[in-house]
Amino acid sequence: EAGVVQSPRYKIIEKKQPVAFWCNPISGHNTLYWYLQNLGQGPELLIRYENEEAVDDSQLPKDRFSAERLKGVDSTLKIQPAELGDSAVYLCASSPGLTPANEQFFGPGTRLTVL
Amino acid sequence: RKEVEQDPGPFNVPEGATVAFNCTYSNSASQSFFWYRQDCRKEPKLLMSVYSSGNEDGRFTAQLNRASQYISLLIRDSKLSDSATYLCVVNRMNRDDKIIFGKGTRLHILP
Repeated sequence: EAGVVQSPRYKIIEKKQPVAFWCNPISGHNTLYWYLQNLGQGPELLIRYENEEAVDDSQLPKDRFSAERLKGVDSTLKIQPAELGDSAVYLCASSPGLTPANEQFFGPGTRLTVL
Repeated sequence: RKEVEQDPGPFNVPEGATVAFNCTYSNSASQSFFWYRQDCRKEPKLLMSVYSSGNEDGRFTAQLNRASQYISLLIRDSKLSDSATYLCVVNRMNRDDKIIFGKGTRLHILP
């Protein structure tokens, strides 16, 4: 069974440029998460989707970050414009069912470097 | 006070030894608890869920202490391959579901 797929794996951009990350969750998983992870820190939730509905986006910096999951399957996370402090690993995860109490399966992440 | 706290370590432990670390949580409405393992430059993977009655999986034992609001992970007969970062995860469920990762505890098993 295919796992969570993320692309690109690495991205280097200059500050003020836009960037987008893509995630395809495990087939049949209703819940999708986007996390940000800085070096030496745990993942920090940015947004959680249940199907196509964003049920928790309280930690998403909405002035520059946006996300969508239009058909309740794959998802895109965008940053515009990127800032130096956005350099981090962006992880996508999915889980079956509609509760965060289930196991989350993570993708390999996108490592973003903002110069 | 952070909602989920872990000792960042590193814990440097000789191979074969037993090691334990705790994770404290501040919100008594927390309902679900997990330990995830993360290898260097890899994604987190579920190690085990933590049940009220505690649970054991081979060399790994997880316990929950609701009165003192912490969970623990015990690793017996540690192996070199146990070297990783162990992330505590707490799911708070009151008015809103909120899942929170700790910063992780780094473990180095020494040959």
